Amino acid sequence: GQNIDQPTEMTATEGAIVQINCTYQTSGFNGLFWYQQHAGEAPTFLSYNVLDGLEEKGRFSSFLSRSKGYSYLLLKELQMKDSASYLCAPRGYQKVTFGTGTKLQVIP
Amino acid sequence: EAGVTQFPSHSVIEKGQTVTLRCDPISGHDNLYWYRRVMGKEIKFLLHFVKESKQDESGMPNNRFLAERTGGTYSTLKVQPAELEDSGVYFCASSLGSVGTEAFFGQGTRLTVV
Repeated sequence: GQNIDQPTEMTATEGAIVQINCTYQTSGFNGLFWYQQHAGEAPTFLSYNVLDGLEEKGRFSSFLSRSKGYSYLLLKELQMKDSASYLCAPRGYQKVTFGTGTKLQVIP
Repeated sequence: EAGVTQFPSHSVIEKGQTVTLRCDPISGHDNLYWYRRVMGKEIKFLLHFVKESKQDESGMPNNRFLAERTGGTYSTLKVQPAELEDSGVYFCASSLGSVGTEAFFGQGTRLTVV
């Protein structure tokens, strides 16, 4: 089965850096996705990690440690539009399972 | 290129009625997924098609839910008869491959059963 744990809510200041952690237990691990979801909208792809280490993509970076069942999403130079839910989603054999998401609020 | 489209965007039905949700994946995407988000809870997997075949339907709640993908193109998800606990947002996603491939999501269908 799958078990995913990430903080429910976080608040950060515009221009700052925030790290959203995710721990997971899954059978047949085949990588981990991070998705962003604004209220009332569809989830949109942010990153995919399959190997250990840090993947950087502009203001967003994602880290994976397979041995620890741990990932984080790092958001730099926060903007107000980054206020959204961030979903940690490990992939099993073929199925992607989502965590409850972390609701990030960016304040001025 | 058109993304994943879902119809209707909203549906309000009475308990006991039938509703059919439709998903048109991105053209050429063999993999199609249905997910559901119930208020305040996580997005939960329902099932996965590869072309017209059900690859994994372990997330389907019960036999009131029937998904089809005739011809391997669009998919329908029928709920019959609908119950109050079926209310939520139903997302469809499609991907070109399966393992390690980004899934693109539709805007979702918000289903309210009253």
